[in-house]
Amino acid sequence: SQQGEEDPQALSIQEGENATMNCSYKTSINNLQWYRQNSGRGLVHLILIRSNEREKHSGRLRVTLDTSKKSSSLLITASRAADTASYFCATSQGGSEKLVFGKGTKLTVNP
Amino acid sequence: EAEVAQSPRYKITEKSQAVAFWCDPISGHATLYWYRQILGQGPELLVQFQDESVVDDSQLPKDRFSAERLKGVDSTLKIQPAELGDSAMYLCASSVTGVDEQFFGPGTRLTVL
Repeated sequence: SQQGEEDPQALSIQEGENATMNCSYKTSINNLQWYRQNSGRGLVHLILIRSNEREKHSGRLRVTLDTSKKSSSLLITASRAADTASYFCATSQGGSEKLVFGKGTKLTVNP
Repeated sequence: EAEVAQSPRYKITEKSQAVAFWCDPISGHATLYWYRQILGQGPELLVQFQDESVVDDSQLPKDRFSAERLKGVDSTLKIQPAELGDSAMYLCASSVTGVDEQFFGPGTRLTVL
């Protein structure tokens, strides 16, 4: 079963534009993580935000978390063609260490 | 930079055959995970090890899948017999404690004919 649902399923933008992806989840969480996956490759961890945090930054990435709405957003600023990939949110729930992934957003950045 | 190693990268097999995948996590990482990822979906956890012990195998189809991490370091995932529906990417990941970021290997792409 998948906990997170990313929105949109696919996003196509021009280089230099910002990209925003959203994630909604169903149950209370310990933390929420975002991962990137290039086609046919393994996943790369981008950022982890804990349930008591509201916003985190890492380079061109900005993640927000709204636990009252059970949602998170990932913003990539000044996108580059190399940002083309699928982006997944994953949640850790309750007393479990298990990560549950969403279906992902496929981002295409056109040069 | 330390990486999670997996082999083989690609495996083609016929249904009813046995297949095995190998994973070597980052040195010092106590927690090891096996995920299955169907095309167009997110990864789904099959089994999680803490050192040599299984922590969670609730989604592992135990009639045909088995996993072991005998010395608490590298791990093997086996499927016997393989079925057409097992075609997927099998990803291995490791983490220091199990509650922080996970580091993924490149995956093994399995095709069952």
